[in-house]
Amino acid sequence: KQEVTQIPAALSVPEGENLVLNCSFTDSAIYNLQWFRQDPGKGLTSLLLIQSSQREQTSGRLNASLDKSSGRSTLYIAASQPGDSATYLCAPKMGGAGNKLTFGGGTRVLVKP
Amino acid sequence: GAGVSQSPSNKVTEKGKDVELRCDPISGHTALYWYRQRLGQGLEFLIYFQGNSAPDKSGLPSDRFSAERTGESVSTLTIQRTQQEDSAVYLCASSSVTGGGYEQYFGPGTRLTVT
Repeated sequence: KQEVTQIPAALSVPEGENLVLNCSFTDSAIYNLQWFRQDPGKGLTSLLLIQSSQREQTSGRLNASLDKSSGRSTLYIAASQPGDSATYLCAPKMGGAGNKLTFGGGTRVLVKP
Repeated sequence: GAGVSQSPSNKVTEKGKDVELRCDPISGHTALYWYRQRLGQGLEFLIYFQGNSAPDKSGLPSDRFSAERTGESVSTLTIQRTQQEDSAVYLCASSSVTGGGYEQYFGPGTRLTVT
């Protein structure tokens, strides 16, 4: 059974600092991995999807790396802004039949002006 | 539609009553998923539909939970004889199984409160 851990559980930084969010998973036979953002009381917004064959994926100030063999992914957010304050979730999808995502507990980020 | 939509956005019900939650996926997405997020906990997978294949019901917590999907469109999640532990946000997602690599797009959720 896939288990996903996100460290740290919470993070508070001043505006302008770079953010590093870590995700580890126990079963490396993944098909892909998604990073999501969740604002309080809202649904999930997909930020990046990284395929198992990729080492990294970039979108604007966001960069996600994947080390499949060691069961790790890292989300980097450059030059953080108060609007980046949210909970960030990582979710690997297993290969083979079945497409469910397994979610980590999330990292709650606060960027202070 | 532009995104996944869910209704109602909020539902308050008395213990023991049945509730029905609705999800409209992104047009053209053949895969549809239901997840649950209880307060202070992570998201849990409930059920997955893909086209005309038999659904993956492995995440449904009890036989009080059921879901249907008509073709490749709307899905309803039904919870019978609701219990207080059913209180949660129920999230629906959809994805295409071609090209996009199964990227899942989520709706805003239905917040269910059982009193």
